[in-house]
Amino acid sequence: DQQVKQNSPSLSVQEGRISILNCDYTNSMFDYFLWYKKYPAEGPTFLISISSIKDKNEDGRFTVFLNKSAKHLSLHIVPSQPGDSAVYFCAASARRANTGNQFYFGTGTSLTVIP
Amino acid sequence: DTGVSQDPRHKITKRGQNVTFRCDPISEHNRLYWYRQTLGQGPEFLTYFQNEAQLEKSRLLSDRFSAERPKGSFSTLEIQRTEQGDSAMYLCASSLNWATAFGSGTRLTVV
Repeated sequence: DQQVKQNSPSLSVQEGRISILNCDYTNSMFDYFLWYKKYPAEGPTFLISISSIKDKNEDGRFTVFLNKSAKHLSLHIVPSQPGDSAVYFCAASARRANTGNQFYFGTGTSLTVIP
Repeated sequence: DTGVSQDPRHKITKRGQNVTFRCDPISEHNRLYWYRQTLGQGPEFLTYFQNEAQLEKSRLLSDRFSAERPKGSFSTLEIQRTEQGDSAMYLCASSLNWATAFGSGTRLTVV
């Protein structure tokens, strides 16, 4: 059972525009969320995180929004750059449940930023 | 040491053979994880160590799989009697508190 879902397998955006990547989760125990970026032949690279006590976290061009009632989070990239082209994974964990910090990953969204 | 290191990067093996992968975590990280990623999927948790103790194992980790972290530093993941379904990218990650770093993975192909 997929507890973290990324329903858009791919997304194409013009350079300079906003990229919005979406993620939904089902487990209400999740209280910590991450976005990872993955280039081909490399492991995932941490991008940005958010705790369930917040609804927004911003780091430069990247902003993550969390809507707990909808069990939905999104990653906004503004402005998008060609170097942002990669696969983006959403991941969630239940820290308070003391399960180590095992992360549950979505299936990824492949972002292509067109120059 | 600037990151999590995994060896080998690629492994091709015949069905039925045993394989062993190594992971060297970031030195000050006390937690170490193994994940498996197949095509079109996100990474799936396999097992977790805190120092040398293996504290959690996924149901994905059949009895053909064994992981060790004997001195609380590097870890090995062994797969015995490999099957074609074991073909995947095996990712190691390490963390201190909640900052988790991933290695580049070992891509296993069972032929």
